[in-house]
Amino acid sequence: RKEVEQDPGPFNVPEGATVAFNCTYSNSASQSFFWYRQDCRKEPKLLMSVYSSGNEDGRFTAQLNRASQYISLLIRDSKLSDSATYLCVVNNYGQNFVFGPGTRLSVLP
Amino acid sequence: DGGITQSPKYLFRKEGQNVTLSCEQNLNHDAMYWYRQDPGQGLRLIYYSQIVNDFQKGDIAEGYSVSREKKESFPLTVTSAQKNPTAFYLCASSIVRTYNQPQHFGDGTRLSIL
Repeated sequence: RKEVEQDPGPFNVPEGATVAFNCTYSNSASQSFFWYRQDCRKEPKLLMSVYSSGNEDGRFTAQLNRASQYISLLIRDSKLSDSATYLCVVNNYGQNFVFGPGTRLSVLP
Repeated sequence: DGGITQSPKYLFRKEGQNVTLSCEQNLNHDAMYWYRQDPGQGLRLIYYSQIVNDFQKGDIAEGYSVSREKKESFPLTVTSAQKNPTAFYLCASSIVRTYNQPQHFGDGTRLSIL
């Protein structure tokens, strides 16, 4: 089993839709969690950290479920500019960052 | 502005040639990393360093070498032993042993074989 797993997609959604991605991780000692977005042929950019109580940044909401070992990302009112690959990243204190394979999102006009 | 600078943006390698990719950061981060990304694939860790003069192999270190003589710099050499070097190479840095501190990335180097 891979350490971090994501549904590769693609998720094709119309503008204005709400879309959710899940990510599961296998190491119960994981302590820090992040969502990155990567545009085609560009570097990953931090979208948001994921806090234990869940957190929101505008149209984006991240949740963490430690018991079930998954994190989620919810995007409301999708924009064309949200089209990208979304990477789930997990870090164990003092250890390396482990990246999921990414989920592709296409927002259609 | 603080950040990570990778150079060059594009690099071409001839058969049997070693090439070096530069990565410099002014974020005062202790840890630096090199990743390789193939088209349509995820990031794979090549090497990382958490302190000057020390570095560790990642998942795909064969055919690559690194050095960490200064905190700000972590160059990657793609040697002739790496038979399939064509990929997108990403350098990152982070604070270590601090909760919820993410990695920051440079804008990458695209390496191709001539």
